[in-house]
Amino acid sequence: KAGVTQTPRYLIKTRGQQVTLSCSPISGHRSVSWYQQTPGQGLQFLFEYFSETQRNKGNFPGRFSGRQFSNSRSEMNVSTLELGDSALYLCASSLIPSTDTQYFGPGTRLTVL
Amino acid sequence: TQLLEQSPQFLSIQEGENLTVYCNSSSVFSSLQWYRQEPGEGPVLLVTVVTGGEVKKLKRLTFQFGDARKDSSLHITAAQPGDTGLYLCAGLYSGGGADGLTFGKGTHLIIQP
Repeated sequence: KAGVTQTPRYLIKTRGQQVTLSCSPISGHRSVSWYQQTPGQGLQFLFEYFSETQRNKGNFPGRFSGRQFSNSRSEMNVSTLELGDSALYLCASSLIPSTDTQYFGPGTRLTVL
Repeated sequence: TQLLEQSPQFLSIQEGENLTVYCNSSSVFSSLQWYRQEPGEGPVLLVTVVTGGEVKKLKRLTFQFGDARKDSSLHITAAQPGDTGLYLCAGLYSGGGADGLTFGKGTHLIIQP
C-alpha cells in the first residue's frame, strides 16, 4: 500500500507570494492533518480535514487555509508569504479523525526569500 | 495549551552505550506516541502507549508510559549508528483531539561508530 505523498517536495517563494501544497493520503484514509515544523517551534498542528470538512484548526493566522476533495486528497494554501513561513510542511493521514495513529508524508520544504 | 517537554534536546554517544530520552507534561494524555524522523523525511511512528504504566519493547527500544499518563520514556540498549535521528514524542490530549497531536520539540540523537 502506497504511503502518504506530498508535492512538491521543495519550493522556493518570495515574500508576498502565495503557495499551494498538495497531499495524497494512504488509500482508504479519509482524514488528513497538516503540521508545520520549524527548528524553533517543532511540529505545530495547522488543521485537520475529514470528509471534505475542516474539523479542527490550530493557532495560525487566516493566511493559512486548506481544503479536502471528495477523493480525500488535500491542499493547503498560504497567502501573502512571510519569511517566518519557511518550514517543513507535513501532511498526515489516518482512517478516522482526531486519532493518535497518523502516518506522515515526507513533507514539503518551503523556503521564503 | 498542552505542552510536552523532551529531554535531553541533544545527545551524542558512542555505539554500544545505553540511553534514555524523556517526555514530560503537566497534562494527562489519552495516549502517547514516539516517532523517529530522519533528515528530509516525515516522522515515522515507532510505538503508541495507551495504558498508564504500560511498557512496550521494540527490539532494543523500550517505551514506558507513566502511571499518571503524563510522561513517557524511551530507552535504547546498545545503541547503533542506525539509531541516529530525531526522536519525537507526541500525545493526544485526554480532553479531546481538537488540537491535533501535540508534539515535543524532539531529541536529536547521534550515535558515533
